Amino acid sequence: DTGVSQDPRHKITKRGQNVTFRCDPISEHNRLYWYRQTLGQGPEFLTYFQNEAQLEKSRLLSDRFSAERPKGSFSTLEIQRTEQGDSAMYLCASSLVRQGSEQYFGPGTRLTVT
Amino acid sequence: QKEVEQDPGPLSVPEGAIVSLNCTYSNSAFQYFMWYRQYSRKGPELLMYTYSSGNKEDGRFTAQVDKSSKYISLFIRDSQPSDSATYLCAGRNTGFQKLVFGTGTRLLVSP
Repeated sequence: DTGVSQDPRHKITKRGQNVTFRCDPISEHNRLYWYRQTLGQGPEFLTYFQNEAQLEKSRLLSDRFSAERPKGSFSTLEIQRTEQGDSAMYLCASSLVRQGSEQYFGPGTRLTVT
Repeated sequence: QKEVEQDPGPLSVPEGAIVSLNCTYSNSAFQYFMWYRQYSRKGPELLMYTYSSGNKEDGRFTAQVDKSSKYISLFIRDSQPSDSATYLCAGRNTGFQKLVFGTGTRLLVSP
């Protein structure tokens, strides 16, 4: 399968714990995006990378959230001191660096904070 | 007011029906428009991608964009039970990468 992959697929954690998610984009894609989706809502943009550079961050990305893409390949999203409101599906997408390029999504990581 | 509005449904149709799914948007700077299909507990799957106003057809799917009225449509011909899913519309500005999604419309196609 050469699509976007995400790991883990599900994560259950207790409030106050830190969690980290991983995303592997489609191999030739230089842009990588993180979105969050809560039940009954569409995905909401969090941040995106072009190669190693983080070029845009949403106000949704509080200081408890940090994303990295150290070598321009896979990316990690860390949430520190999780809160119940962080429970959501975290989606990763990737695209080519090209005007109007399409974004392709991975299967998501479902986070439940108890 | 949300930038992209969709009726959440559910929209229930019999197999073989023509389905019409619609969105309105408020950001006149949107130039790119997409439709994604999302099955329960899965990631969104890109169905259709259009630039500016006009129609685009791909198999049983037709996407229409009317920028003058800020209206986006997706038509599904000969609908199948396997089309039962949530359909998300999204828009994007030129020069920006953020996709802005609607809430999604849940479609149920009964055999």
